[in-house]
Amino acid sequence: AQRVTQPEKLLSVFKGAPVELKCNYSYSGSPELFWYVQYSRQRLQLLLRHISRESIKGFTADLNKGETSFHLKKPFAQEEDSAMYYCALLIKAAGNKLTFGGGTRVLVKP
Amino acid sequence: DTAVSQTPKYLVTQMGNDKSIKCEQNLGHDTMYWYKQDSKKFLKIMFSYNNKELIINETVPNRFSPKSPDKAHLNLHINSLELGDSAVYFCASSQKDTQYFGPGTRLTVL
Repeated sequence: AQRVTQPEKLLSVFKGAPVELKCNYSYSGSPELFWYVQYSRQRLQLLLRHISRESIKGFTADLNKGETSFHLKKPFAQEEDSAMYYCALLIKAAGNKLTFGGGTRVLVKP
Repeated sequence: DTAVSQTPKYLVTQMGNDKSIKCEQNLGHDTMYWYKQDSKKFLKIMFSYNNKELIINETVPNRFSPKSPDKAHLNLHINSLELGDSAVYFCASSQKDTQYFGPGTRLTVL
């Protein structure tokens, strides 16, 4: 069965420092991976997906099939990056089922 | 012009009651979902519908029954509420691989 693991429940960094959120997955098929973000009192929203290979709000994530990882990185964290981040695996064959990791709360201190 | 909306935003009720949460999307998407976010912020899919047809039905007690009157609406009815049902319930919709989430309904069972 598919599984997504985010080992860090909380990451606390200072403004301007780099931040990396770890995500590992297990899935026997070809993975489609996403990062979703939930800012305080806001709804969950898509941050980025591996297919697009884009940088959003300074964040990037690279799919590493050898290590089954999809870590999220930003070189210089900003206070507005404080939020809950979820890594998610999409399985189209299962009706577009999204399996989420446990989430990582990021706190960027001034 | 909210894309995915849910009502109510908050729901406080007694054990044993029956309650419903409504979800509507105006994005023209074919697929809608219900997710449960527990007190530890863990997100898990419950159901999905595609064009009013049930696609995903995870291991959810049969006290939970989704109903899709049309493809723009997916309501969640819960019978005989239990303390463990207290959570935030999110509705989402998608056309392809990106899911758009509603603001959530915080259900508290006393």
